[in-house]
Amino acid sequence: LAKTTQPISMDSYEGQEVNITCSHNNIATNDYITWYQQFPSQGPRFIIQGYKTKVTNEVASLFIPADRKSSTLSLPRVSLSDTAVYYCLVGDMDGGDLLTGGGNKLTFGTGTQLKVEL
Amino acid sequence: KAGVTQTPRYLIKTRGQQVTLSCSPISGHRSVSWYQQTPGQGLQFLFEYFSETQRNKGNFPGRFSGRQFSNSRSEMNVSTLELGDSALYLCASSLVLAGGRSAGANVLTFGAGSRLTVL
Repeated sequence: LAKTTQPISMDSYEGQEVNITCSHNNIATNDYITWYQQFPSQGPRFIIQGYKTKVTNEVASLFIPADRKSSTLSLPRVSLSDTAVYYCLVGDMDGGDLLTGGGNKLTFGTGTQLKVEL
Repeated sequence: KAGVTQTPRYLIKTRGQQVTLSCSPISGHRSVSWYQQTPGQGLQFLFEYFSETQRNKGNFPGRFSGRQFSNSRSEMNVSTLELGDSALYLCASSLVLAGGRSAGANVLTFGAGSRLTVL
């Protein structure tokens, strides 16, 4: 059962702001929302994590509405080097910690392929 | 500080053989999780080890196994290789149980991966 839904792909131009939205209707009360960036033939790289409202770091902002059923990763002024696949990750109620029964199977979903052009 | 190190980076095997991949986590990280990535299936969770114990397991057959040593280094093994096992195998380390629900859970540092080709 898929726990996150993202657009398959997005196109943008250098210098624009890009917003990628992830839907996670079944998010649990204690789950955090985490975003990753992946370049071809490399492992994903942590971008940002949040629980509610807004989180900002040096590379991105994460907006989470009050109901937490979605989140939006905002990339300001993208460049060609931001062309990558972006994944959102939230807790997955299927499975869990074999010892305590909690936790998740770390389901990444299909991700969003962002293509930035000149 | 050193990142997550995976070895070997590339390997070619034939059907029926077995393979062992190694992952050295960031110093101090006690959780190591493994993933299989293919163009068709995306990034799929294999299992997670924390303090030498398997704490979480994805939906893969028993041919896929792993272990973690006292220094947190981890290995995964795939026996009786099939063509469909060709993939990029990624490991990730984290301070806390990656599959948990505390702040810091799901904050993973990935290695560069091991590219397995099965002929």
